[in-house]
Amino acid sequence: ETGVTQSPTHLIKTRGQQVTLRCSSQSGHNTVSWYQQALGQGPQFIFQYYREEENGRGNFPPRFSGLQFPNYSSELNVNALELDDSALYLCASSLDLTSGNTGELFFGEGSRLTVL
Amino acid sequence: SQQGEEDPQALSIQEGENATMNCSYKTSINNLQWYRQNSGRGLVHLILIRSNEREKHSGRLRVTLDTSKKSSSLLITASRAADTASYFCATTRMDSSYKLIFGSGTRLLVRP
Repeated sequence: ETGVTQSPTHLIKTRGQQVTLRCSSQSGHNTVSWYQQALGQGPQFIFQYYREEENGRGNFPPRFSGLQFPNYSSELNVNALELDDSALYLCASSLDLTSGNTGELFFGEGSRLTVL
Repeated sequence: SQQGEEDPQALSIQEGENATMNCSYKTSINNLQWYRQNSGRGLVHLILIRSNEREKHSGRLRVTLDTSKKSSSLLITASRAADTASYFCATTRMDSSYKLIFGSGTRLLVRP
Protein backbone atom coordinates (compact mmCIF):
# COMPACT_ATOMS: atom_id res chain seq x y z
CA GLU A 1 0.00 0.00 0.00
CA THR A 2 1.15 3.51 -0.81
CA GLY A 3 -0.36 5.41 2.09
CA VAL A 4 -2.48 7.53 -0.25
CA THR A 5 -6.15 7.28 0.63
CA GLN A 6 -9.11 8.38 -1.46
CA SER A 7 -12.79 8.74 -0.69
CA PRO A 8 -15.37 7.78 -1.61
CA THR A 9 -14.39 4.57 -3.39
CA HIS A 10 -17.54 4.46 -5.51
CA LEU A 11 -20.29 6.94 -6.21
CA ILE A 12 -23.16 7.45 -8.60
CA LYS A 13 -24.35 10.86 -9.74
CA THR A 14 -26.75 12.15 -12.34
CA ARG A 15 -25.94 14.47 -15.20
CA GLY A 16 -25.71 18.11 -14.13
CA GLN A 17 -24.84 17.36 -10.52
CA GLN A 18 -21.62 18.28 -8.75
CA VAL A 19 -19.13 15.94 -7.06
CA THR A 20 -16.25 16.31 -4.62
CA LEU A 21 -13.56 13.67 -4.34
CA ARG A 22 -11.00 13.65 -1.54
CA CYS A 23 -7.42 12.52 -1.21
CA SER A 24 -4.99 12.24 1.68
CA SER A 25 -1.41 12.17 0.51
CA GLN A 26 1.36 9.94 1.78
CA SER A 27 3.10 11.22 4.87
CA GLY A 28 5.80 13.72 3.96
CA HIS A 29 4.58 14.30 0.40
CA ASN A 30 3.79 17.91 -0.50
CA THR A 31 2.55 17.51 -4.08
CA VAL A 32 -0.74 16.02 -5.22
CA SER A 33 -1.75 15.16 -8.76
CA TRP A 34 -5.14 14.05 -10.08
CA TYR A 35 -5.71 11.76 -13.04
CA GLN A 36 -8.83 10.58 -14.85
CA GLN A 37 -8.88 7.05 -16.21
CA ALA A 38 -11.68 6.05 -18.56
CA LEU A 39 -12.44 2.36 -18.93
CA GLY A 40 -9.79 0.59 -20.97
CA GLN A 41 -7.58 3.69 -21.23
CA GLY A 42 -4.48 5.02 -19.55
CA PRO A 43 -4.76 7.76 -16.92
CA GLN A 44 -5.04 11.35 -18.18
CA PHE A 45 -3.46 14.18 -16.19
CA ILE A 46 -6.01 16.66 -14.79
CA PHE A 47 -3.88 18.95 -12.62
CA GLN A 48 -1.26 19.09 -9.90
CA TYR A 49 -1.16 21.04 -6.65
CA TYR A 50 1.90 22.18 -4.77
CA ARG A 51 1.90 24.51 -1.76
CA GLU A 52 -1.86 24.91 -2.10
CA GLU A 53 -1.62 26.27 -5.64
CA GLU A 54 -2.27 24.71 -9.01
CA ASN A 55 1.12 23.83 -10.48
CA GLY A 56 0.07 22.57 -13.88
CA ARG A 57 -3.08 21.58 -15.69
CA GLY A 58 -4.01 19.12 -18.39
CA ASN A 59 -6.60 19.47 -21.12
CA PHE A 60 -9.68 19.59 -18.87
CA PRO A 61 -12.38 22.29 -18.79
CA PRO A 62 -12.72 24.77 -15.90
CA ARG A 63 -15.58 22.79 -14.37
CA PHE A 64 -12.80 20.53 -13.07
CA SER A 65 -11.27 22.36 -10.12
CA GLY A 66 -9.24 21.46 -7.10
CA LEU A 67 -7.90 22.47 -3.74
CA GLN A 68 -4.92 21.56 -1.65
CA PHE A 69 -4.98 22.12 2.09
CA PRO A 70 -2.12 23.01 4.47
CA ASN A 71 -1.82 19.35 5.47
CA TYR A 72 -1.29 18.56 1.75
CA SER A 73 -4.59 16.71 1.39
CA SER A 74 -6.58 17.61 -1.69
CA GLU A 75 -10.02 17.75 -3.25
CA LEU A 76 -11.17 17.40 -6.83
CA ASN A 77 -14.44 19.09 -7.67
CA VAL A 78 -16.37 18.53 -10.87
CA ASN A 79 -19.38 20.71 -11.67
CA ALA A 80 -22.15 20.16 -14.20
CA LEU A 81 -21.37 16.46 -14.56
CA GLU A 82 -21.56 14.92 -18.00
CA LEU A 83 -21.93 11.27 -18.95
CA ASP A 84 -18.33 11.23 -20.23
CA ASP A 85 -17.09 12.14 -16.76
CA SER A 86 -17.75 8.54 -15.74
CA ALA A 87 -14.28 7.22 -14.91
CA LEU A 88 -11.85 6.16 -12.21
CA TYR A 89 -10.32 9.26 -10.61
CA LEU A 90 -6.86 8.68 -9.25
CA CYS A 91 -4.95 10.80 -6.81
CA ALA A 92 -1.17 10.55 -6.60
CA SER A 93 1.22 12.14 -4.16
CA SER A 94 4.92 12.87 -4.42
CA LEU A 95 7.63 15.16 -3.20
CA ASP A 96 8.30 18.28 -5.25
CA LEU A 97 11.14 18.03 -7.74
CA THR A 98 13.51 20.11 -5.60
CA SER A 99 13.11 17.83 -2.58
CA GLY A 100 14.65 14.68 -3.90
CA ASN A 101 11.70 13.49 -5.93
CA THR A 102 12.82 10.80 -8.33
CA GLY A 103 9.70 11.25 -10.42
CA GLU A 104 7.83 8.31 -8.94
CA LEU A 105 4.17 8.86 -8.10
CA PHE A 106 2.33 7.08 -5.30
CA PHE A 107 -1.27 6.40 -6.27
CA GLY A 108 -4.37 5.85 -4.21
CA GLU A 109 -6.92 3.17 -5.10
CA GLY A 110 -9.15 5.68 -6.86
CA SER A 111 -12.73 6.87 -6.75
CA ARG A 112 -14.99 5.32 -9.35
CA LEU A 113 -17.58 7.81 -10.54
CA THR A 114 -20.60 6.78 -12.56
CA VAL A 115 -22.70 9.53 -14.12
CA LEU A 116 -26.20 8.50 -15.20
CA SER B 1 -3.71 12.96 -25.54
CA GLN B 2 -1.68 9.82 -25.00
CA GLN B 3 2.08 10.25 -25.31
CA GLY B 4 2.89 6.58 -25.33
CA GLU B 5 1.49 3.58 -27.04
CA GLU B 6 2.01 0.11 -25.67
CA ASP B 7 2.34 -2.96 -27.78
CA PRO B 8 0.79 -5.47 -27.63
CA GLN B 9 -2.55 -4.30 -26.25
CA ALA B 10 -3.06 -7.73 -24.71
CA LEU B 11 -0.71 -10.62 -23.97
CA SER B 12 -1.48 -14.14 -22.71
CA ILE B 13 1.35 -16.41 -21.60
CA GLN B 14 1.93 -19.51 -19.52
CA GLU B 15 3.33 -19.26 -16.02
CA GLY B 16 7.11 -19.46 -16.13
CA GLU B 17 7.41 -17.80 -19.52
CA ASN B 18 8.84 -14.35 -20.09
CA ALA B 19 6.61 -11.41 -20.97
CA THR B 20 7.79 -8.51 -23.09
CA MET B 21 5.87 -5.28 -23.49
CA ASN B 22 6.89 -2.36 -25.66
CA CYS B 23 6.18 1.34 -25.41
CA SER B 24 6.68 4.09 -27.97
CA TYR B 25 6.46 7.81 -27.29
CA LYS B 26 6.48 10.97 -29.33
CA THR B 27 8.56 13.73 -27.76
CA SER B 28 11.83 14.16 -25.86
CA ILE B 29 11.58 12.94 -22.29
CA ASN B 30 13.17 13.37 -18.89
CA ASN B 31 12.44 9.83 -17.84
CA LEU B 32 10.19 6.88 -18.53
CA GLN B 33 8.41 4.85 -15.89
CA TRP B 34 6.44 1.63 -15.85
CA TYR B 35 3.41 1.14 -13.64
CA ARG B 36 1.24 -1.85 -12.91
CA GLN B 37 -2.52 -1.79 -12.27
CA ASN B 38 -4.60 -4.66 -10.97
CA SER B 39 -8.15 -4.70 -12.30
CA GLY B 40 -9.44 -1.16 -11.85
CA ARG B 41 -7.39 -0.37 -8.79
CA GLY B 42 -4.58 2.11 -8.14
CA LEU B 43 -1.31 2.12 -10.05
CA VAL B 44 1.88 0.82 -8.51
CA HIS B 45 5.25 2.14 -9.60
CA LEU B 46 7.56 -0.58 -10.92
CA ILE B 47 10.68 1.07 -12.29
CA LEU B 48 12.01 4.39 -13.59
CA ILE B 49 14.68 4.82 -16.26
CA ARG B 50 16.22 8.20 -16.99
CA SER B 51 16.76 9.51 -20.49
CA ASN B 52 20.54 9.03 -20.20
CA GLU B 53 20.20 5.38 -19.16
CA ARG B 54 19.85 2.48 -21.56
CA GLU B 55 18.96 -0.46 -19.32
CA LYS B 56 17.81 -1.01 -15.78
CA HIS B 57 17.00 -4.07 -13.68
CA SER B 58 14.81 -4.60 -10.63
CA GLY B 59 14.23 -8.16 -9.47
CA ARG B 60 12.50 -10.00 -12.33
CA LEU B 61 12.04 -6.76 -14.29
CA ARG B 62 14.32 -5.48 -17.02
CA VAL B 63 13.66 -2.18 -18.76
CA THR B 64 15.44 -0.84 -21.81
CA LEU B 65 15.24 2.63 -23.30
CA ASP B 66 16.19 3.68 -26.83
CA THR B 67 15.83 7.44 -27.08
CA SER B 68 16.81 7.45 -30.76
CA LYS B 69 13.80 5.27 -31.53
CA LYS B 70 11.67 6.81 -28.78
CA SER B 71 10.86 3.39 -27.42
CA SER B 72 11.15 1.29 -24.29
CA SER B 73 10.55 -2.32 -23.39
CA LEU B 74 9.62 -4.04 -20.16
CA LEU B 75 10.61 -7.66 -19.70
CA ILE B 76 9.16 -9.73 -16.89
CA THR B 77 11.09 -12.98 -16.49
CA ALA B 78 9.73 -16.24 -15.09
CA SER B 79 6.19 -14.86 -14.94
CA ARG B 80 3.74 -15.85 -12.21
CA ALA B 81 -0.05 -15.88 -12.14
CA ALA B 82 0.18 -12.94 -9.70
CA ASP B 83 1.78 -10.85 -12.48
CA THR B 84 -1.62 -10.74 -14.23
CA ALA B 85 -2.41 -7.02 -14.50
CA SER B 86 -2.32 -4.05 -16.86
CA TYR B 87 1.05 -2.44 -17.41
CA PHE B 88 1.47 1.20 -18.40
CA CYS B 89 4.45 3.19 -19.51
CA ALA B 90 4.51 6.84 -18.55
CA THR B 91 6.83 9.64 -19.55
CA THR B 92 7.69 13.07 -18.25
CA ARG B 93 8.53 15.66 -20.86
CA MET B 94 11.28 18.19 -20.51
CA ASP B 95 8.86 21.11 -20.91
CA SER B 96 6.30 19.83 -18.42
CA SER B 97 8.05 17.68 -15.87
CA TYR B 98 5.20 18.04 -13.39
CA LYS B 99 2.96 15.54 -15.16
CA LEU B 100 3.12 11.95 -16.30
CA ILE B 101 1.79 11.09 -19.74
CA PHE B 102 0.54 7.53 -19.83
CA GLY B 103 0.16 5.10 -22.67
CA SER B 104 -2.92 2.99 -23.19
CA GLY B 105 -1.50 -0.08 -21.47
CA THR B 106 -0.83 -3.75 -22.08
CA ARG B 107 -3.15 -6.25 -20.42
CA LEU B 108 -1.12 -9.24 -19.33
CA LEU B 109 -2.70 -12.59 -18.47
CA VAL B 110 -0.45 -15.24 -16.97
CA ARG B 111 -2.12 -18.64 -17.08
CA PRO B 112 -1.31 -21.04 -14.21
